[in-house]
Amino acid sequence: QKEVEQNSGPLSVPEGAIASLNCTYSDRGSQSFFWYRQYSGKSPELIMFIYSNGDKEDGRFTAQLNKASQYVSLLIRDSQPSDSATYLCAVNIRGAQKLVFGQGTRLTINP
Amino acid sequence: DTAVSQTPKYLVTQMGNDKSIKCEQNLGHDTMYWYKQDSKKFLKIMFSYNNKELIINETVPNRFSPKSPDKAHLNLHINSLELGDSAVYFCASSRLGGQDTEAFFGQGTRLTVV
Repeated sequence: QKEVEQNSGPLSVPEGAIASLNCTYSDRGSQSFFWYRQYSGKSPELIMFIYSNGDKEDGRFTAQLNKASQYVSLLIRDSQPSDSATYLCAVNIRGAQKLVFGQGTRLTINP
Repeated sequence: DTAVSQTPKYLVTQMGNDKSIKCEQNLGHDTMYWYKQDSKKFLKIMFSYNNKELIINETVPNRFSPKSPDKAHLNLHINSLELGDSAVYFCASSRLGGQDTEAFFGQGTRLTVV
């Protein structure tokens, strides 16, 4: 089982709709969870992080964490064409001092 | 000011050559990393250094040798390059420990071995 799993997509969403990106992880002791966005040919950039169960909102983005289900998601409201990118879920593996990434989900927002 | 900078941005070389990629961070972070991103966009950690000390080596061939002269620099030297080494290599840095371990990435080095 991979440490961090995401659907690779592509995920296609109409402009203005909600995009929902999902991620599961295998280590129950994982403490911190990150969502990065990567445009083609660019480096990953952090969108949000979440540590506690529940929802965390930042503008159009909401991160959701359910440690019991080992599940973290990212919702993007009012999707814009500029949101089209690959979204990477990353997990801080307990005691390992490293971020482990999922394979990324390619998101396309259609005008 | 660039937080994490790596050079070169592009590197095209022949099989069997030896090449180096340099990385520097001005964020005052204790931990630096090298990640490899393959053609399927999977970002996989290769090495992690904390205060110049190697703490993670993720079963990378010993043709890859990281060197950290100080905690602000982590260079990657690759010997006897192979076709399969073609990828984008990202340097990153973070603070050590705790929950706040966000990694900041350099712009990447696209290595093409021909």
